[in-house]
Amino acid sequence: EVQLVESGGGLVQPGGSLRLSCAASGFTFSTYWMTWVRQAPGKGLEWVANIKEDGSVKHYVDSVKGRFTISRDNAKNSLYLQMNSLRAEDTAVYYCARGPHTQATTYWGQGTLVTVS
Amino acid sequence: QTVVTQEPSFSVSPGGTVTLTCGLSSGSVSTSYYPSWYQQTPGQAPRTLIYNTNARSSGVPDRFSGSILGNKAALTITGAQADDESDYYCVMLMSSGIWVFGGGTKLTVL
Repeated sequence: EVQLVESGGGLVQPGGSLRLSCAASGFTFSTYWMTWVRQAPGKGLEWVANIKEDGSVKHYVDSVKGRFTISRDNAKNSLYLQMNSLRAEDTAVYYCARGPHTQATTYWGQGTLVTVS
Repeated sequence: QTVVTQEPSFSVSPGGTVTLTCGLSSGSVSTSYYPSWYQQTPGQAPRTLIYNTNARSSGVPDRFSGSILGNKAALTITGAQADDESDYYCVMLMSSGIWVFGGGTKLTVL
């Protein structure tokens, strides 16, 4: 069974930093692109960033470029999101996801709440 | 940046059929955008319904189907049930390699 468990969320002041982690199990982690998706309170889903299987390619939504860094450790089956220079508008539940993919379904974690205030 | 458009809200009668759409602010949707569809109820993580335009995720009833209709991606729900009342999101792959979500459709079953 695919499982994705996020951790690292919490309350942080504007301008601060936070590192989110996602522990993956139930599939061969090193063979899938991985993604962070966020959802601000009462708002829709927003794709944030993804990373290729070997970490060699990363994409970011414009609003986080230069502030957030996605990374992975395939030996530890873990995905990370380093968030710097946090703003109030970064307040959201952050989901770790296996997907979306062109040829495979998406699996979701339960999310971790980040509050910037 | 390309905007992905969805109807903000829709309503359907129990047992009825509804088609939600997912378009682009500029251009037509094709299978090359690999649209996926998700269902989300308040306080819960999204659930994947459809990926790669029309592939149904494991465990999803065949009442849910995906397609390309005209210049948009579409999610059709047949025989709507009360627990289909949810928010529905589409996401598509852009040529830049990023994925973009639509704003979501709030579906009411009444």
